[in-house]
Amino acid sequence: EPEVTQTPSHQVTQMGQEVILRCVPISNHLYFYWYRQILGQKVEFLVSFYNNEISEKSEIFDDQFSVERPDGSNFTLKIRSTKLEDSAMYFCASIRPQGTGAYEQYFGPGTRLTVT
Amino acid sequence: DQQVKQNSPSLSVQEGRISILNCDYTNSMFDYFLWYKKYPAEGPTFLISISSIKDKNEDGRFTVFLNKSAKHLSLHIVPSQPGDSAVYFCAASARNQGGKLIFGQGTELSVKP
Repeated sequence: EPEVTQTPSHQVTQMGQEVILRCVPISNHLYFYWYRQILGQKVEFLVSFYNNEISEKSEIFDDQFSVERPDGSNFTLKIRSTKLEDSAMYFCASIRPQGTGAYEQYFGPGTRLTVT
Repeated sequence: DQQVKQNSPSLSVQEGRISILNCDYTNSMFDYFLWYKKYPAEGPTFLISISSIKDKNEDGRFTVFLNKSAKHLSLHIVPSQPGDSAVYFCAASARNQGGKLIFGQGTELSVKP
């Protein structure tokens, strides 16, 4: 069964460093998302991406964040200068909306980002 | 801005009995609702969904009920099994607004043998 994959599973970085989180969505999916979950809190939307451009972003997704789909398979989230409060689990999700209106997003296993 | 709320942080149920997880929402633009199951250090796993044009959707042991007038949905698991023990998240989406999911805080279900 196709699945969303994410690498690395755990990334430790120093404050102020740049990190790139990588995702390979399900191959025939059209919409791509990044979410994050700070420990003990709920899953929060960061950004959605469709047709090679951002379709929506949350207040969290400031100028330090960017997304890219550099080729036909990868979808990346870059944090330019990490802060302590960026420590969280980051989840990639993808979807191919069905003609029935079904809209289930499928999530990857996540990358745990630890900023020290 | 808590558009989706799960007011019970935890629920404990005996194996074989029914588990009922509840979720409330405030945004009337939401037209699609989903339940996800999550284990620690893993991504959310899709369980079941319901469109706002329905009031019930069933898939095996899982049934989701939607009460639009009350802006309330619930997930019923029957019979509950120890393997169902996990955190359950309710999520809502307005499909014509890009489909981003707004999640509740989650309910930790513990099914005891």
